Amino acid sequence: EPEVTQTPSHQVTQMGQEVILRCVPISNHLYFYWYRQILGQKVEFLVSFYNNEISEKSEIFDDQFSVERPDGSNFTLKIRSTKLEDSAMYFCASCSQGQEQETQYFGPGTRLLVL
Amino acid sequence: GDSVTQMEGPVTLSEEAFLTINCTYTATGYPSLFWYVQYPGEGLQLLLKATKADDKGSNKGFEATYRKETTSFHLEKGSVQVSDSAVYFCALSARNTGFQKLVFGTGTRLLVSP
Repeated sequence: EPEVTQTPSHQVTQMGQEVILRCVPISNHLYFYWYRQILGQKVEFLVSFYNNEISEKSEIFDDQFSVERPDGSNFTLKIRSTKLEDSAMYFCASCSQGQEQETQYFGPGTRLLVL
Repeated sequence: GDSVTQMEGPVTLSEEAFLTINCTYTATGYPSLFWYVQYPGEGLQLLLKATKADDKGSNKGFEATYRKETTSFHLEKGSVQVSDSAVYFCALSARNTGFQKLVFGTGTRLLVSP
């Protein structure tokens, strides 16, 4: 069964450093998402992406964040200058048509720790 | 804005006990409702969903009914197993700009002992 994959599974970085989190969505899906979960808190929407552009972003997704689909398979989240409060689990998700009743398929997550 | 409220965990049960995890929501319009499950070390997996009022989603012995009048989508299972130990997330699908996004509850950890 096709699945969403994410790398790395864990990342430790120093405050102020840039990190890139990578995701490979399901191959025939067209809509891509990043969510994050700070320890003990809700899973929060960050950004949705379709047709090579951002379709919606949350208040969390400020100028320090960017997303890219550099080739036909990868979908990346970049944090330019990490802050302590960026420590969280980051989930990538994809779905085929982006309709309200559709299922989003999630990857296993990348746990980011900013020191 | 749209929101989901879940009961606090952990919920601790013995094997074969009955499970209920409460979920209520606030949303404009009529969202689709989902339960996702996260097993240790894994990502979020869809457990079941319901896309309109009075629909019942079911999978692996779990059920939830979309109740518009009480804005609820409670998860139930008649007889839990140790393998059901996981974190369960209730979510709704909001569609603000024409594209779907999910709004999650805080998650409820279920621990089932033999």
